[in-house]
Amino acid sequence: GNSVTQMEGPVTLSEEAFLTINCTYTATGYPSLFWYVQYPGEGLQLLLKATKADDKGSNKGFEATYRKETTSFHLEKGSVQVSDSAVYFCALPTSGGSYIPTFGRGTSLIVHP
Amino acid sequence: NAGVTQTPKFQVLKTGQSMTLQCAQDMNHNSMYWYRQDPGMGLRLIYYSASEGTTDKGEVPNGYNVSRLNKREFSLRLESAAPSQTSVYFCASSGRGPGELFFGEGSRLTVL
Repeated sequence: GNSVTQMEGPVTLSEEAFLTINCTYTATGYPSLFWYVQYPGEGLQLLLKATKADDKGSNKGFEATYRKETTSFHLEKGSVQVSDSAVYFCALPTSGGSYIPTFGRGTSLIVHP
Repeated sequence: NAGVTQTPKFQVLKTGQSMTLQCAQDMNHNSMYWYRQDPGMGLRLIYYSASEGTTDKGEVPNGYNVSRLNKREFSLRLESAAPSQTSVYFCASSGRGPGELFFGEGSRLTVL
């Protein structure tokens, strides 16, 4: 089945710093790729997605580009805020046509004022 | 627009007690899921229901049972709780496309 590997955290940044959280995947074919975010005390919510190679997903200042050459979907943000402190999960469908996502272990982001 | 609603949000049980976690979604989604989240383990799928009337085991089904009561509701039951089942439980639903889930706010369960 498909799988993802994301960098371990925590990632600790100062406000307005540049953020990159790495995610690489192993998959059959070219499935959709996702980033989910979990704010403290809440459930996961979809942050962005890309449905095909070279697509760029974006939302709330975050971006990720579906790169099939490097099998990567790294999450980036140019200037983080304290309110971005959360756990970020990379995900993709478990297998072709499956609705069930496989999640990475999650990367905790801590942003200091 | 409530989305996915879970009850209760917090529960403390003694070893051997039983309880049911309730989940309901108002998005007319076909598929529903139960996950548990533990530190360092990420999210692990317990059971899922691809459509009303069907349920299937996920990665960690032992010690749990589920019921897909109707299209809206999917409950998770612990028949005899164990300390290893101390966790945060999330219900989710999907209907827009592969991998795109909507989550509830979670239920924090402690088994003493």
